[in-house]
Amino acid sequence: AAGVIQSPRHLIKEKRETATLKCYPIPRHDTVYWYQQGPGQDPQFLISFYEKMQSDKGSIPDRFSAQQFSDYHSELNMSSLELGDSALYFCASSPEGQGTDGELFFGEGSRLTVL
Amino acid sequence: QQPVQSPQAVILREGEDAVINCSSSKALYSVHWYRQKHGEAPVFLMILLKGGEQKGHEKISASFNEKKQQSSLYLTASQLSYSGTYFCGTEDQGTDSWGKLQFGAGTQVVVTP
Repeated sequence: AAGVIQSPRHLIKEKRETATLKCYPIPRHDTVYWYQQGPGQDPQFLISFYEKMQSDKGSIPDRFSAQQFSDYHSELNMSSLELGDSALYFCASSPEGQGTDGELFFGEGSRLTVL
Repeated sequence: QQPVQSPQAVILREGEDAVINCSSSKALYSVHWYRQKHGEAPVFLMILLKGGEQKGHEKISASFNEKKQQSSLYLTASQLSYSGTYFCGTEDQGTDSWGKLQFGAGTQVVVTP
């Protein structure tokens, strides 16, 4: 069965650089969620999109922006990277009309390392 | 509002039982439970949507006490495969919290032979 696809799986950047992470949800999933997980920490909710519109916002820095495109894939853009941005970034999706009333399907994550 | 989980960690022998608690200071709409192995994505275990609801997944079950704003996850007759970090995720009641699932700090479970 198709799963949530995230790319790249690993990314190394220098401070002050920019990075873009991509997420391809499971077909017929209309909601995408982004989470940031630091080492040994819980996943922190960043932002979510429903039907290509931002549906909710969590602790996402102003340096970060995201959007969901017409094909439902989403991109997380991070600028002026800081050492503290090093983390595992998870994308999750949920089926049409379900939202968080059921399972969130997580991708395998994109590990960002900022040097 | 991030939920509070306890304990932070638990070590079990195969076959033993454990309880993980998750509580919130806000009225909850739903509680999710996920298990994450090191370096892997969180895997969904179950969701509880109604107060008092109990659900089960093999020998892992959970309850949701809406009045106390808390949920408990029960690991029964634990197996080696139960090792991992368990996260509860909660969604507060209220339309401004729709779709915002916030996770607790996690409970690390180690099951030994």
